[in-house]
Amino acid sequence: NAGVTQTPKFRVLKTGQSMTLLCAQDMNHEYMYWYRQDPGMGLRLIHYSVGEGTTAKGEVPDGYNVSRLKKQNFLLGLESAAPSQTSVYFCASRASGGALQEQFFGPGTRLTVL
Amino acid sequence: KQEVTQIPAALSVPEGENLVLNCSFTDSAIYNLQWFRQDPGKGLTSLLLIQSSQREQTSGRLNASLDKSSGRSTLYIAASQPGDSATYLCAVGNNNDMRFGAGTRLTVKP
Repeated sequence: NAGVTQTPKFRVLKTGQSMTLLCAQDMNHEYMYWYRQDPGMGLRLIHYSVGEGTTAKGEVPDGYNVSRLKKQNFLLGLESAAPSQTSVYFCASRASGGALQEQFFGPGTRLTVL
Repeated sequence: KQEVTQIPAALSVPEGENLVLNCSFTDSAIYNLQWFRQDPGKGLTSLLLIQSSQREQTSGRLNASLDKSSGRSTLYIAASQPGDSATYLCAVGNNNDMRFGAGTRLTVKP
C-alpha cells in the first residue's frame, strides 16, 4: 500500500518552461489536494478536487492548472513557470465523510524555477 | 478568511520535559482540526484529528485539545524525547479544504 505518491521528487525549471506534477493515491479517496509550502508560511492550498472530473480553486490558484481525469490521479500543471513558483509542492488525499476523515500527504516535490 | 497562528515559532527543551504547543484560529466554524508532524525535507504525518464536536484526542504521549468557542487548540507532549524533534503543524478544516498554521519547530535536547 503506497498511500500518496508524487512524481518527480525534484525539478529545476527555467522561467517560462512548463511542467506537470503527478499525484497518485491508492486508497480510493474522493478528495485530492495540491498545496505549496514556502518558508515561514505553512501550507497554502492551490487547487483541490472532490471527485473524478471535478476541480476547484484554493487559496493561491493563479499560474496553476489541474486535472482529475482518473480518481486515483491529480495533476498539477505550470504552463509558464516563474521564480515565484519556487516552492515545495505537496499532494494530499482524504476519503469523503467530512469531519471524520484525515488528510494523507505525499512526500513532496521540490521545484526550483531559475 | 480563516487565519491560523501557531506560537511559538520555535521551541527548545531538554529531554524529559512536558510541553505544550499552541494553535489559534479566527473562524470557529470548523469541521475539524488536525495536528501534523513534519521532519526536515519530508512530507506531513498526521498525529491527531479532532472533530468539531470533540474536546480532545489522545495518542500515546500526545494529547490534543480543542476549544472551538475561543478558537484555540493545544498539543501536549509528555516526557519529550530527542526523536520528537520536528516541526508541528496544525490545520483547521471546513467541508472541503484545510488552512494551516506556519508551524512550531521543536528541538528536544538529549
